[in-house]
Amino acid sequence: ETGVTQSPTHLIKTRGQQVTLRCSSQSGHNTVSWYQQALGQGPQFIFQYYREEENGRGNFPPRFSGLQFPNYSSELNVNALELDDSALYLCASSFSTDTQYFGPGTRLTVL
Amino acid sequence: AQSVAQPEDQVNVAEGNPLTVKCTYSVSGNPYLFWYVQYPNRGLQFLLKYITGDNLVKGSYGFEAEFNKSQTSFHLKKPSALVSDSALYFCAVRALRGSGAGSYQLTFGKGTKLSVIP
Repeated sequence: ETGVTQSPTHLIKTRGQQVTLRCSSQSGHNTVSWYQQALGQGPQFIFQYYREEENGRGNFPPRFSGLQFPNYSSELNVNALELDDSALYLCASSFSTDTQYFGPGTRLTVL
Repeated sequence: AQSVAQPEDQVNVAEGNPLTVKCTYSVSGNPYLFWYVQYPNRGLQFLLKYITGDNLVKGSYGFEAEFNKSQTSFHLKKPSALVSDSALYFCAVRALRGSGAGSYQLTFGKGTKLSVIP
């Protein structure tokens, strides 16, 4: 059984650029949630996708957007990057509302 | 709104001694509670969860957690700490029964750094 995978591992961007992060969910899971973890903080919920539809959103601006594909993999897109977007971005997959299992994360640095 | 408090930023314990990492929560309705562990530069690993039933739940690597409804607490415990247990521990909560989109999101505490001293 393959766990949750994320790509890329690390990413460096400059202010104003756009970035796309990718996540492959664990086999048998149909729900993907994205979290932002700033340095020294706990993960903060960005949004969740279930059956290719956004199923809830945290307190993040519209420049954070996402997609879920028919194979349940997902993308997180961030437009107009700001310095404060520098963080570890975590993807978690689950079967519906069951336990969420996390990937290793993508470390985004915005200069 | 739901919230989690982990009152200790850091817990130090000697190897072989019992350890406790504290967590209190606030949520509407019955809680669904989790503990995750994070090693440096890694994602979160699931340790254990409480849904209903026995207030003492057992998880991975010898960890257990005690649910106390009256104190709204869910403390993580281990009878004998190992140096390899040194990591960042996160408590998380969500409502057991959601009430619409987004109600199944996890809310995390700020984390507690556990250091096990040889």
